[in-house]
Amino acid sequence: SAVISQKPSRDICQRGTSLTIQCQVDSQVTMMFWYRQQPGQSLTLIATANQGSEATYESGFVIDKFPISRPNLTFSTLTVSNMSPEDSSIYLCSVSPGGTDTQYFGPGTRLTVL
Amino acid sequence: KQEVTQIPAALSVPEGENLVLNCSFTDSAIYNLQWFRQDPGKGLTSLLLIQSSQREQTSGRLNASLDKSSGRSTLYIAASQPGDSATYLCAVRHSNAGNMLTFGGGTRLMVKP
Repeated sequence: SAVISQKPSRDICQRGTSLTIQCQVDSQVTMMFWYRQQPGQSLTLIATANQGSEATYESGFVIDKFPISRPNLTFSTLTVSNMSPEDSSIYLCSVSPGGTDTQYFGPGTRLTVL
Repeated sequence: KQEVTQIPAALSVPEGENLVLNCSFTDSAIYNLQWFRQDPGKGLTSLLLIQSSQREQTSGRLNASLDKSSGRSTLYIAASQPGDSATYLCAVRHSNAGNMLTFGGGTRLMVKP
């Protein structure tokens, strides 16, 4: 299994600002995933972050808007840039530790943009 | 493109009832299917994982089945309890999509005491 923590747990931000969300895992993992859950919706994958390489973004998501860092095998950050109210969502990081196909999720960061 | 649908979107049952949640997917070339539970404002808790070669998995009062050829999975909850109230999400991992999961819209379950 994997224990994942995220910071902050929630935040209220002003339009036009940026927020960086941190994700920490208790074990080394090759890939980390960032998902978005808009109000009343299911989860959508934003990007996959591999250590030592550029993140891979899904259709509809771009690096300028959601820059990702992956400095080591237990940590990643997602930045939501130049925020608008449409970015109000829960952002979740996820991992699938080696030796298991189960995907584990962090507790999420609830972002509200005014 | 894989699409995952969950029916019903919401369900309210009295405590003690057995219930079935449904999940269907359009592309049967899946690697595995995972059921999650999400409490309001919280992250996801993994409940059961079924590999594409398996027919079912059980954990306590939960039983998940998979019929890959027909693109369906069900989550059976026995003797439901108020603490089971949550949103239940199914997600499929496509054989060729690495670790990417495609999620259904979820079933919001309310178990009344």
